[in-house]
Amino acid sequence: AQTVTQSQPEMSVQEAETVTLSCTYDTSESDYYLFWYKQPPSRQMILVIRQEAYKQQNATENRFSVNFQKAAKSFSLKISDSQLGDAAMYFCAYRRRLRTTSGTYKYIFGTGTRLKVLA
Amino acid sequence: ETGVTQTPRHLVMGMTNKKSLKCEQHLGHNAMYWYKQSAKKPLELMFVYNFKEQTENNSVPSRFSPECPNSSHLFLHLHTLQPEDSALYLCASTLFGQGAKGNTIYFGEGSWLTVV
Repeated sequence: AQTVTQSQPEMSVQEAETVTLSCTYDTSESDYYLFWYKQPPSRQMILVIRQEAYKQQNATENRFSVNFQKAAKSFSLKISDSQLGDAAMYFCAYRRRLRTTSGTYKYIFGTGTRLKVLA
Repeated sequence: ETGVTQTPRHLVMGMTNKKSLKCEQHLGHNAMYWYKQSAKKPLELMFVYNFKEQTENNSVPSRFSPECPNSSHLFLHLHTLQPEDSALYLCASTLFGQGAKGNTIYFGEGSWLTVV
């Protein structure tokens, strides 16, 4: 079964510094997508970044980048120049196709990492 | 404006009550999801609908009954719930099919449910 593991329940970072959040996953598939979502206190889940498994190049979105290690099944998120607004729960997610005739996608989430940004 | 709207945002109900959660997406998506988010647990997938067809029922108790009348609307009917069902219920949608491989899932703001 596919699982997503986030081993850091909570992390802290000083404003303007860099922090890396860890994520590992388990899968036997070769074609899949990985995502990082941010959930601020408002509870609105917001997409931060996504990575296609067949692409070796790490995805980047402004201050956010990933370190995707497919063989190690590792997908960490690096936040550079941390800002107070980055404080939130961060969820790593894996997407695979459901094995049904319709083939809709299924998204599996980790338990999350709470990021605190210190002024 | 998130594109996925959930109502009500907060709901308190007794164990013998019947209530419903509503979700509407304005993004032209064709797949909709219900997730349950409890403290210190991963988001739990409950149901998936592709167009109006239920494609996943993740062993959810029958006291939760989903309904998807069209690709824009999704309901979660609740009856005889237990206190442990208290949680944040998140609705989400995505576009599935040709040309949509890279599309991701978009969430509503959630409905806080408290069962007393």
